[in-house]
Amino acid sequence: QVQLVESGGGVVQPGRSLRLSCAASGFTFSTYAMHWVRQAPGKGLECVAVIYYDGSNQYYADSVKGRFTISRDNSRKTLHLQMNSLRPDDSAVYYCARGLLDYMDVWGKGTTVTVSS
Amino acid sequence: QTVVTQEPSFSVSPGGTVTLTCGLSSGSVSTTNNPSWYQQTPGQPPRTLIYSTNTRSSGVPDRFSGSILGNKAALTITGAQADDESDYYCMVYIHNGISIFGGGTKLTVL
Repeated sequence: QVQLVESGGGVVQPGRSLRLSCAASGFTFSTYAMHWVRQAPGKGLECVAVIYYDGSNQYYADSVKGRFTISRDNSRKTLHLQMNSLRPDDSAVYYCARGLLDYMDVWGKGTTVTVSS
Repeated sequence: QTVVTQEPSFSVSPGGTVTLTCGLSSGSVSTTNNPSWYQQTPGQPPRTLIYSTNTRSSGVPDRFSGSILGNKAALTITGAQADDESDYYCMVYIHNGISIFGGGTKLTVL
């Protein structure tokens, strides 16, 4: 069945880096745009980044632009989010989601990132 | 800065009908914004209900419907059930790959 499994979350100090991954299965990964969406504790959803099906374009929320990089490996059916210069307000559950550019239709269960000294 | 607005909370009686709305601080929501709707219960990932204004995602019952009402996107739930009690988020596509979620509506069924 269609499945997205995130990994790579953890506790990290402010200013450090972390790389999240999302393993896709059960569908043709290379034909979908992929998103990272985050949710801070007790807060709403926030689009973090999106990447075209072929990796040709990426878009970022202003809050992460210049610090985060979204990438994908279609041969390995894997999505990544490289997060640099992490700040406490980046603490959240990070969800990987499949979709088109303007919506998501399948979601992973999420991985938790905590930025704290 | 564009803000997507939703009612913070709403309540509906079991079996009743409720319409949640989604607006834009900078103007109207239209079909070109391709509004989508997501349901989330505590501790769970979001579930996609509606995309492209009014297309139900796979497996979503027809009790859920999407539309444009006036200058807002709308999610209507008919025949509300106890397990519809959730947070509901709308998302609006703005431009250049940028989409924005609303703050969410907490729906109570009582």
